[in-house]
Amino acid sequence: ILNVEQSPQSLHVQEGDSTNFTCSFPSSNFYALHWYRWETAKSPEALFVMTLNGDEKKKGRISATLNTKEGYSYLYIKGSQPEDSATYLCAPRRQTGANNLFFGTGTRLTVIP
Amino acid sequence: DAGVIQSPRHEVTEMGQEVTLRCKPISGHDYLFWYRQTMMQGLELLVYFNNKAVMDDSGMPKDRFSAKMPNASFSTLKIQPSEPRDSAVYFCASTLRGLGSGNTIYFGEGSWLTVV
Repeated sequence: ILNVEQSPQSLHVQEGDSTNFTCSFPSSNFYALHWYRWETAKSPEALFVMTLNGDEKKKGRISATLNTKEGYSYLYIKGSQPEDSATYLCAPRRQTGANNLFFGTGTRLTVIP
Repeated sequence: DAGVIQSPRHEVTEMGQEVTLRCKPISGHDYLFWYRQTMMQGLELLVYFNNKAVMDDSGMPKDRFSAKMPNASFSTLKIQPSEPRDSAVYFCASTLRGLGSGNTIYFGEGSWLTVV
């Protein structure tokens, strides 16, 4: 079991604001970090898989960075829209070869129109 | 393409009753996962299979939970007897060839279980 921390637990922003949140994980034996987006009553949807220190990924208005040496990743949303309201989950995977992900408790984002 | 299919989507049951959750993975996927989402624990892995064989069930309470995968396209998660603390969203997920090379896992929409 990995100790994965996400902060903040919840966040309310106004439409049009940019926002970011953090995923912290053990840096030892790091292999990859997965980000997922989950809207209630829908399937969690994969956003990014990141593997390299310094990696930066982008999908529309959402981007993420990765620091494997210090064990954290930031997720940024530029110009938040109401449809961005969801829970954002991160899950690191270690180099042990085990094919499972240990998820954080997520950051619940609410974008107010 | 059909994604991961779970049933039932919602179930309300009385404490002590048996509950069976069902999952059909994406066709051709050889890994299948069962996760549970609670407010306190977040998404926790209960069990996962590779080619129908249990690879890790250390997260599953074995006194009341059991998971089976009788064939490549079907899996069940059974709770007997159910307790109020089992109330959660149960997700099934699948992937092809594991999580190497940047693969990701694909989730179903979840089974929302309430035990009263």
